[in-house]
Amino acid sequence: AQSVTQLDSQVPVFEEAPVELRCNYSSSVSVYLFWYVQYPNQGLQLLLKYLSGSTLVESINGFEAEFNKSQTSFHLRKPSVHISDTAEYFCAVSGEYNQGGKLIFGQGTELSVKP
Amino acid sequence: NAGVMQNPRHLVRRRGQEARLRCSPMKGHSHVYWYRQLPEEGLKFMVYLQKENIIDESGMPKERFSAEFPKEGPSILRIQQVVRGDSAAYFCASSPARNMNTEAFFGQGTRLTVV
Repeated sequence: AQSVTQLDSQVPVFEEAPVELRCNYSSSVSVYLFWYVQYPNQGLQLLLKYLSGSTLVESINGFEAEFNKSQTSFHLRKPSVHISDTAEYFCAVSGEYNQGGKLIFGQGTELSVKP
Repeated sequence: NAGVMQNPRHLVRRRGQEARLRCSPMKGHSHVYWYRQLPEEGLKFMVYLQKENIIDESGMPKERFSAEFPKEGPSILRIQQVVRGDSAAYFCASSPARNMNTEAFFGQGTRLTVV
């Protein structure tokens, strides 16, 4: 069975500070890893994903995540956050290549960026 | 190209009534996934459908819940005889293909409140 643990339920941070949102997973098979962002009263939007290849993946808005197989982690980082990054962030995993939308989500981390 | 459309956005039902949640996938998408988000929790997979077929319903409660995705029209998640514990946000996602190389796009969700 697969599972995802997001270690922090809330992360308050000041604008322009760096941030790391932690995600650990457990799986007995190869995994595919995702980070989604949910703005208030919105659906989820894909931020970035790891399928294979380079273990460091980047999004277009400055976030990056690194797949660490030995530590079973996929932490999300941004060197300098903006007020507009305030949202809930979900880490997700899938081990089923042929069910691309079937994901196991963590409980979410609420990122609050303060001026 | 409109995104994944879910309606209604908010639904209030009394205990014992039926709830019908609709999901229109993005144009060209034939794969639909339903998720439930309980308060303070992450999204939990419920069911995966392709046109006229249920592919994976491993996350569906055994009673009162059903889903369909007819040849024409939206996908429907139906909850019969709702109870207070059914109160949650229900999200639908769609993708153009099964495999992990394609992204699943999420709708804005239907927030069901059972009173």
